[in-house]
Amino acid sequence: KQEVTQIPAALSVPEGENLVLNCSFTDSAIYNLQWFRQDPGKGLTSLLLIQSSQREQTSGRLNASLDKSSGRSTLYIAASQPGDSATYLCAVFESGGGADGLTFGKGTHLIIQP
Amino acid sequence: DVKVTQSSRYLVKRTGEKVFLECVQDMDHENMFWYRQDPGLGLRLIYFSYDVKMKEKGDIPEGYSVSREKKERFSLILESASTNQTSMYLCASSLGTSRYSDTQYFGPGTRLTVL
Repeated sequence: KQEVTQIPAALSVPEGENLVLNCSFTDSAIYNLQWFRQDPGKGLTSLLLIQSSQREQTSGRLNASLDKSSGRSTLYIAASQPGDSATYLCAVFESGGGADGLTFGKGTHLIIQP
Repeated sequence: DVKVTQSSRYLVKRTGEKVFLECVQDMDHENMFWYRQDPGLGLRLIYFSYDVKMKEKGDIPEGYSVSREKKERFSLILESASTNQTSMYLCASSLGTSRYSDTQYFGPGTRLTVL
């Protein structure tokens, strides 16, 4: 059964710093990996999707990488801002057996200090 | 922009009641999903649907059923609500053209409390 782990569980950094969030998964038979953002009490907002054949995707100050063979992904946030404070969730959409939906990590709770 | 709406943001029900959670998407997406989110457990898939009148069990379907009579609407039904179904429920949809590139779009969530 697929397991997705996110490290660290929480992170607090001063505004302006560059930071990296980590995600690992146990079964490399995935269609894609997605990064989401969730604000308190709200739904999820899709940030980036990396297909299994891709190595990275970029959107503005965000860059996500995927190393499928080692079961790892990173989300790089450049020049962090207080508005980036949220919980960041990593999820994989897998091609193996079992339910055909996303398997999520438990998230990294990020606080950017002004 | 894709819009996924859920009928209620907050809901309070009593044990044993039948509860309906409604989800509507406006982008003609083929796929729809129901997840629940609990502290320490994260998001878990309850049911999903790839087409009208079609449904598949997710990881935790016990105590739930679903209905998809129209393409844009996917309902989650708690036949007899119990306190352990107190949770945040999130609906999602995706286009359905490619498992490799389909992004899932989420609704705002319904926070259900069962007393």
